[in-house]
Amino acid sequence: AQRVTQPEKLLSVFKGAPVELKCNYSYSGSPELFWYVQYSRQRLQLLLRHISRESIKGFTADLNKGETSFHLKKPFAQEEDSAMYYCARIRWYGTSGSRLTFGEGTQLTVNP
Amino acid sequence: GAGVSQSPRYKVAKRGQDVALRCDPISGHVSLFWYQQALGQGPEFLTYFQNEAQLDKSGLPSDRFFAERPEGSVSTLKIQRTQQEDSAVYLCASSSARRSNQPQHFGDGTRLSIL
Repeated sequence: AQRVTQPEKLLSVFKGAPVELKCNYSYSGSPELFWYVQYSRQRLQLLLRHISRESIKGFTADLNKGETSFHLKKPFAQEEDSAMYYCARIRWYGTSGSRLTFGEGTQLTVNP
Repeated sequence: GAGVSQSPRYKVAKRGQDVALRCDPISGHVSLFWYQQALGQGPEFLTYFQNEAQLDKSGLPSDRFFAERPEGSVSTLKIQRTQQEDSAVYLCASSSARRSNQPQHFGDGTRLSIL
């Protein structure tokens, strides 16, 4: 079964410090991975996806197939980054569609 | 509306009662998903529709869970004879295409509490 593991349930850093949220996945073919974020009292929303190779709100994530990891990084954390972060992997149904497998989430708190 | 809409936002039921949760996807979205999120956990897949066809229901935890999307738009998740372990947030998501990397857009969820 495809699994996504986020080893840290809680992560606390100070404003301006670097932050890294870890995500590992079980190897199976060519993975497509995402980071979703849920701010307080808001719905779950897409933060970024590895195929886009983009930076959103200063966050980046690189797929490392050798280590089967997709860690989320930001060089200088801001208080507004405090949220729950979920790593997710997509599973394709042939030509019919897809579904997401989520990790358990990491609650990031950025202290002033 | 611009996003996925779920109702009710909160539902409290007594053990043994039946409940029905509604999802209005983004207009025109072909794919619709239901997820269950227990406290302190990530969302877990329940079932997937492409238009009105339920292509995957492998995540439904028991035969007490039933989902439908009869006209390919609004979907209802029904739980019969509810149990305390059914208490969770039920999330609905929709996506614009069949096979693509288009992201899933999530609703606010329905928080179900079984007493």
